[in-house]
Amino acid sequence: GQNIDQPTEMTATEGAIVQINCTYQTSGFNGLFWYQQHAGEAPTFLSYNVLDGLEEKGRFSSFLSRSKGYSYLLLKELQMKDSASYLCAVREKYNTDKLIFGTGTRLQVFP
Amino acid sequence: DTAVSQTPKYLVTQMGNDKSIKCEQNLGHDTMYWYKQDSKKFLKIMFSYNNKELIINETVPNRFSPKSPDKAHLNLHINSLELGDSAVYFCASSLGGPSEAFFGQGTRLTVV
Repeated sequence: GQNIDQPTEMTATEGAIVQINCTYQTSGFNGLFWYQQHAGEAPTFLSYNVLDGLEEKGRFSSFLSRSKGYSYLLLKELQMKDSASYLCAVREKYNTDKLIFGTGTRLQVFP
Repeated sequence: DTAVSQTPKYLVTQMGNDKSIKCEQNLGHDTMYWYKQDSKKFLKIMFSYNNKELIINETVPNRFSPKSPDKAHLNLHINSLELGDSAVYFCASSLGGPSEAFFGQGTRLTVV
């Protein structure tokens, strides 16, 4: 079966660091994406991991462990504008165009 | 400048009606998608087209019919609308394979 789990909600303070976890069980694996979605807007691409390890992109980093079926998104130096939902999505191996999304984590950043 | 544009942005209609949502991308991508996002914000793929050919057809009622007149357009037609069809529908496009998808701004469909 297919299962992608993320915490439903998280809160953090401006300037802090927050880690959003994602665990997955899918019938195949060909990469994991993180998307950001502000309320009422479209999801926008943040990061892509296909090999184990950490990918860093400015204030955002994403980590993948394929053996553990686990990823996290790390947000540093949080800003108010980072308040949004963060969606973890897995690309299945045998159908590389199909993304399976988790339910998303709603992050609220407080001053 | 808009990469993926879909119309309308909001759609309110009565049960039983037939409606269409249009999507166009100017990114030169070969692959286009329709996703449905329900009230719990769960984003689920409905259809995928590659160069006008249907690639993915998830378990979606056959009241939903996608049409791709060319690789830059993917429209979604919905017959006999039901209350449960109320959701935000997102169109997206990508180069295919491991590349990221670019999403349109969404169409909020409300069936009353």
